[in-house]
Amino acid sequence: SQKIEQNSEALNIQEGKTATLTCNYTNYSPAYLQWYRQDPGRGPVFLLLIRENEKEKRKERLKVTFDTTLKQSLFHITASQPADSATYLCALGTQPSNTGKLIFGQGTTLQVKP
Amino acid sequence: NAGVTQTPKFQVLKTGQSMTLQCAQDMNHEYMSWYRQDPGMGLRLIHYSVGAGITDQGEVPNGYNVSRLNKREFSLRLESAAPSQTSVYFCAISTSSWYEQYFGPGTRLTVT
Repeated sequence: SQKIEQNSEALNIQEGKTATLTCNYTNYSPAYLQWYRQDPGRGPVFLLLIRENEKEKRKERLKVTFDTTLKQSLFHITASQPADSATYLCALGTQPSNTGKLIFGQGTTLQVKP
Repeated sequence: NAGVTQTPKFQVLKTGQSMTLQCAQDMNHEYMSWYRQDPGMGLRLIHYSVGAGITDQGEVPNGYNVSRLNKREFSLRLESAAPSQTSVYFCAISTSSWYEQYFGPGTRLTVT
């Protein structure tokens, strides 16, 4: 069966360190993978999108990698700050592009301590 | 949550009651979808629409009906609410499932 798995345990790190979150998937052939941030009581907010033919994407302190052989995406936040504390969700876009579904993982909560 | 509105924000229903959740957008996007979010389950796709009059099922469609009469609005209807439908419901819009999704603020539904 198809699965998207994110670490359900909260990730606690010290301010200034790099946070790395993992998204693994099985039995999908996604052409896109997206990452979102969600704060308590609010809807998710889009952060980054990476295509299957892209190995890495960066945006300010954020970096996403996409390894279709390992079926894994890594999401990095460098020089983390307490304001980065939130739940981070990965999502896969399924084929075909114009009628496909976007399926989310369950999210990983990041806590950055000052 | 730019451009996406959801009504109501909160709702309490008794088992068996019906209600419609409304989603409206002002971004002129074709793709609209409904998700529910439960603790530990993440966001699960209920139904989605790629244009007016075109809808399809997501991961958890049972117990829900949708309607997309025009490009701007996408409604989610619970005909006979059950306690298992207690959840937070999010509407999202985009140019397609593969691109940036804009989420609404959510509707918190409790079924007793």
